[in-house]
Amino acid sequence: DGGITQSPKYLFRKEGQNVTLSCEQNLNHDAMYWYRQDPGQGLRLIYYSQIVNDFQKGDIAEGYSVSREKKESFPLTVTSAQKNPTAFYLCASRGGDTLNTEAFFGQGTRLTVV
Amino acid sequence: AQSVAQPEDQVNVAEGNPLTVKCTYSVSGNPYLFWYVQYPNRGLQFLLKYITGDNLVKGSYGFEAEFNKSQTSFHLKKPSALVSDSALYFCAVRTGGYSTLTFGKGTMLLVSP
Repeated sequence: DGGITQSPKYLFRKEGQNVTLSCEQNLNHDAMYWYRQDPGQGLRLIYYSQIVNDFQKGDIAEGYSVSREKKESFPLTVTSAQKNPTAFYLCASRGGDTLNTEAFFGQGTRLTVV
Repeated sequence: AQSVAQPEDQVNVAEGNPLTVKCTYSVSGNPYLFWYVQYPNRGLQFLLKYITGDNLVKGSYGFEAEFNKSQTSFHLKKPSALVSDSALYFCAVRTGGYSTLTFGKGTMLLVSP
């Protein structure tokens, strides 16, 4: 089946640790996105990538890093510099070269600091 | 700039009654508008989109949305609500010059039996 796979579904991080969230897609989409979801705040954009080996900061990039070495993969690292990392993280991808195509989302990773 | 407002945090409706979830937008050009639904601890599922043309857009699960340019609105509607429609609904917008979607804060829809 085609789709976006995020892993793990649940992740626990100790204070001061870096953790990496995985996002893989087999939809052959060029664009990929990372969002953070907090209750009552909707979705906020962390990073996005429109092509391999290129990515841009979103609205809340501080304390996060990404890479895009392969078209299929867009991992997100939550660094120790992110002071409040507990949240639900969503990865998305979008195909086509026009603005009117919809994004497809993974099932999310819930990160908790312990 | 592009922005979306969902003025209601929660909408309550009885099963079988019509439902409306409101969305207004602000863009400097032509908008591309989207509705997504999210069930607990899951990702977002695409429902429908407005690109151009007919102002009434039909989507998945019996949902539809009406684009109103003069009121800059894109309200989500369904003629007869189901308990299973209870979920969190997000409106999103994209316009020329922006490669990313901007989402509203979401509206929780609760359908009572």
